Amino acid sequence: DADVTQTPRNRITKTGKRIMLECSQTKGHDRMYWYRQDPGLGLRLIYYSFDVKDINKGEISDGYSVSRQAQAKFSLSLESAIPNQTALYFCATSAEGTGGYEQYFGPGTRLTVT
Amino acid sequence: GNSVTQMEGPVTLSEEAFLTINCTYTATGYPSLFWYVQYPGEGLQLLLKATKADDKGSNKGFEATYRKETTSFHLEKGSVQVSDSAVYFCALSGSSNTGKLIFGQGTTLQVKP
Repeated sequence: DADVTQTPRNRITKTGKRIMLECSQTKGHDRMYWYRQDPGLGLRLIYYSFDVKDINKGEISDGYSVSRQAQAKFSLSLESAIPNQTALYFCATSAEGTGGYEQYFGPGTRLTVT
Repeated sequence: GNSVTQMEGPVTLSEEAFLTINCTYTATGYPSLFWYVQYPGEGLQLLLKATKADDKGSNKGFEATYRKETTSFHLEKGSVQVSDSAVYFCALSGSSNTGKLIFGQGTTLQVKP
């Protein structure tokens, strides 16, 4: 079984709709991250969380929100989706104390906003 | 701020050719440096890392040396295989211990038989 899972794997939605992407992990890691990947831009950090009560904005948090429901679950929401949020979204985890040295990534969610 | 720049792709090589993918960085302090690989349809996997100057990371025949004097972390492999076809990302983690990674834009490698 995968250590970091994301649901759904693919989603097509319309402009203005609310959508939630979910991430679960069985690695027991404290830190979780959400990135988006766009062609030619690499991965950019949206939000990150060090534990359930510690959530921080990344470099491109506008238009997104997150919820850390438990140590193992970290959800990303788009309150009102827009076409330029079409991208591949990745969740990642790392363990406290490692300085974030090794991040473990989920398989990604491909989101298309029409 | 911190940043990572990779050579633009795609890079197309024949099997058994020598591979170099250039990566340079800008950072304050003493970052850790990483190469991640993304195979088609999958998430990113850590390929190798180096945490201080002159360290050499290696894995699966790939190597990269942390060169502080040239702020570089170039990825090399002596003999590529078709199965190495993937997107390769250089990344750095700053010295603030937040765990955040700054990624380069990625380089696509295609290896032909």
